Amino acid sequence: GNSVTQMEGPVTLSEEAFLTINCTYTATGYPSLFWYVQYPGEGLQLLLKATKADDKGSNKGFEATYRKETTSFHLEKGSVQVSDSAVYFCALSAYSSASKIIFGSGTRLSIRP
Amino acid sequence: GAGVSQSPRYKVAKRGQDVALRCDPISGHVSLFWYQQALGQGPEFLTYFQNEAQLDKSGLPSDRFFAERPEGSVSTLKIQRTQQEDSAVYLCASGGRANEQFFGPGTRLTVL
Repeated sequence: GNSVTQMEGPVTLSEEAFLTINCTYTATGYPSLFWYVQYPGEGLQLLLKATKADDKGSNKGFEATYRKETTSFHLEKGSVQVSDSAVYFCALSAYSSASKIIFGSGTRLSIRP
Repeated sequence: GAGVSQSPRYKVAKRGQDVALRCDPISGHVSLFWYQQALGQGPEFLTYFQNEAQLDKSGLPSDRFFAERPEGSVSTLKIQRTQQEDSAVYLCASGGRANEQFFGPGTRLTVL
């Protein structure tokens, strides 16, 4: 069945460091891929998405590229801020229309000033 | 409000009690999803509605779980005879265009 595997946390970095959170997926067909973020005390928010191979999703300085050949969707940011401290979830949806989202287990990111 | 709202935000139940969790989706959203998020885990799908029709309930863990959306807007997730393993955050999401889902703040259920 469809699944998502992401880098286990917690991840602790200093401010302005480079961030990578690895994510790989297993799915039949051509899923849509997502990164969601959960800030402390807040609900789950969509950070970025990509719907087909080689698409790059980007938002708030974060980027992820849909790599079908490696079934990966790694999250990157060139210079993290303290305000980026949150839990990040990689996720997929099997279809382009409304369907359930399958989430990874989440990666907690803490940024030191 | 513009977002998805859920109530109550916190619920403590004694084992064996029935609970009802409410979700108010974004106005006009056709799709509505329920997810269960255990501590330290990602959300897991429970059930999906398109308008009032429950199209997928494959994620409901037992027949103690029941969801409805009778008028195609507000939805209720009911858990009968709660057990300790039901303790989790229950998330509701409503769907806009394509496959983007907007999540509510969740209801944290603790079963003692």
